[in-house]
Amino acid sequence: AQTVTQSQPEMSVQEAETVTLSCTYDTSENNYYLFWYKQPPSRQMILVIRQEAYKQQNATENRFSVNFQKAAKSFSLKISDSQLGDTAMYFCAFTQFGNEKLTFGTGTRLTIIP
Amino acid sequence: KAGVTQTPRYLIKTRGQQVTLSCSPISGHRSVSWYQQTPGQGLQFLFEYFSETQRNKGNFPGRFSGRQFSNSRSEMNVSTLELGDSALYLCASSLGYSLYEQYFGPGTRLTVT
Repeated sequence: AQTVTQSQPEMSVQEAETVTLSCTYDTSENNYYLFWYKQPPSRQMILVIRQEAYKQQNATENRFSVNFQKAAKSFSLKISDSQLGDTAMYFCAFTQFGNEKLTFGTGTRLTIIP
Repeated sequence: KAGVTQTPRYLIKTRGQQVTLSCSPISGHRSVSWYQQTPGQGLQFLFEYFSETQRNKGNFPGRFSGRQFSNSRSEMNVSTLELGDSALYLCASSLGYSLYEQYFGPGTRLTVT
């Protein structure tokens, strides 16, 4: 069974600073996908970024980038130039190739301080 | 393109009753997945439907069931409600061909009293 661990329940950072959220996972699969989802107070889950395990290059989406370390089974999210709208719960998630089921971590509550 | 819609948004039920939640996926999406979100257990996968067939199922009791219609709309049903069923129920839709772009709805907040 796959597990996803987020060891930082809460984090806060000043606006415009950079913050890194940690995620580790455990799987015996070789082909899988990893995601970071954002859930603001409105509760709508929004996909932030996606990483295919077979790709060595780290995914980036504007201010969001990941550090994917496959051997270490680590998948951290870096948010640059943080904005007030980044305040939300962030969930790391895993799915194995060929499967739509997402396994989520417990989340990190991120607060951006003005 | 309209997003994933879920109805109702809020629901209050009494223990022992049953409830039906509805999810309309993005037009063209054939896969609908359901998740339960609680403070204690986090986000847990309930089941996934693709082309009216249940393709994957999580570890929930048989009181939790679902179905999908020919237009890809999905319903989930919880019978004999328990206090522990109080949760935010999220559905997500995708094309279903392992393209891994799932879009979530706003959720239905179920409170069982």
